[in-house]
Amino acid sequence: DGGITQSPKYLFRKEGQNVTLSCEQNLNHDAMYWYRQDPGQGLRLIYYSQIVNDFQKGDIAEGYSVSREKKESFPLTVTSAQKNPTAFYLCASSLSGSFYEQYFGPGTRLTVT
Amino acid sequence: AQTVTQSQPEMSVQEAETVTLSCTYDTSESDYYLFWYKQPPSRQMILVIRQEAYKQQNATENRFSVNFQKAAKSFSLKISDSQLGDAAMYFCAYSGDMRFGAGTRLTVKP
Repeated sequence: DGGITQSPKYLFRKEGQNVTLSCEQNLNHDAMYWYRQDPGQGLRLIYYSQIVNDFQKGDIAEGYSVSREKKESFPLTVTSAQKNPTAFYLCASSLSGSFYEQYFGPGTRLTVT
Repeated sequence: AQTVTQSQPEMSVQEAETVTLSCTYDTSESDYYLFWYKQPPSRQMILVIRQEAYKQQNATENRFSVNFQKAAKSFSLKISDSQLGDAAMYFCAYSGDMRFGAGTRLTVKP
């Protein structure tokens, strides 16, 4: 079955530690995205990538980093510089660019204490 | 930056009735797409319906339809014959910069 996987579903970290969230897709999509979702808010774009080895900052990129070395993978690192990292993180992909609907992974709930 | 506004944080509908969720957006572009996504308690985001801005005809998908008013920058979602499984958060989204509204929580009463 084609789809997007995110692991793990729940992640716990101590403050000051970097943590990497995994996102893999086997849909052969060119574009991939990372969003953050906080209670009472919609999704906010962190980073997106429309092609391998290229990515752009979204609205809230500070404290986050990404890489896109393979078409199917787009890991997100939450660094210690991110002031409020506790949130629900969603990864998505689309065929090519934002004019196509996005397919979402199941999400990762990150808790930093 | 473009904005997407959903003015109804919560809505409620009786099973089998019809409900309309509102969405307005701001853009200076003429070519774009608009989407409605559903997020049930499992938190898995699912596409409900998509509208191309250049198409005057409103999109429909079974019980789901939109009222797209390009000049007014309005994009509402109508759910007919509501079912218990329709209970979820609904998000309106604009394609240009992948911007989402804050969401509307829909409750379906049996």
